[in-house]
Amino acid sequence: EPEVTQTPSHQVTQMGQEVILRCVPISNHLYFYWYRQILGQKVEFLVSFYNNEISEKSEIFDDQFSVERPDGSNFTLKIRSTKLEDSAMYFCASSVRGGEKLFFGSGTQLSVL
Amino acid sequence: SQQGEEDPQALSIQEGENATMNCSYKTSINNLQWYRQNSGRGLVHLILIRSNEREKHSGRLRVTLDTSKKSSSLLITASRAADTASYFCATGVSSNDYKLSFGAGTTVTVRA
Repeated sequence: EPEVTQTPSHQVTQMGQEVILRCVPISNHLYFYWYRQILGQKVEFLVSFYNNEISEKSEIFDDQFSVERPDGSNFTLKIRSTKLEDSAMYFCASSVRGGEKLFFGSGTQLSVL
Repeated sequence: SQQGEEDPQALSIQEGENATMNCSYKTSINNLQWYRQNSGRGLVHLILIRSNEREKHSGRLRVTLDTSKKSSSLLITASRAADTASYFCATGVSSNDYKLSFGAGTTVTVRA
């Protein structure tokens, strides 16, 4: 069964450093997303991406965050200058239809020290 | 406003018993979805019910939706140890809005 793959599975970085989280969505999917989950808390929406542009973003997704689909397969989330509160599990997801039946990757655990 | 609040927060049942969890939300929705998350893993889509539907089945899962009460329930029948996981409801507010709002989840433990 096709799956969403995320790399790396764990990322440790120093506060203020830039990180790039990578995702390969399912190949025939058209909608792409980033969510995050702080330990023990809700899954929070960050951004949705369709037709090579951001379709929605949350208040969390400020100027420090950006997304890119540099080629036909990868979908990346960049955090320019990480803060301690950015520590979380970041999930990439994709879907055939917008906002329906999302397929999630296994996540990248980001730890900002 | 936050959508999708699950109840109870945690549930412990014996293998073979049924598990029921509820989800309440605050604003009108286009659809409501249930996802499962095994510890430390990504979420897996279980079932989607649209605002004009009242009940839906998928294998051992039964989902109901009451838009007048802004609530949904997920029933897992004849539970198995493998059903041990956290279960989340997520609401989509319109067909043009791709954001899902997740609740805090119900942690289900199935004892062998």
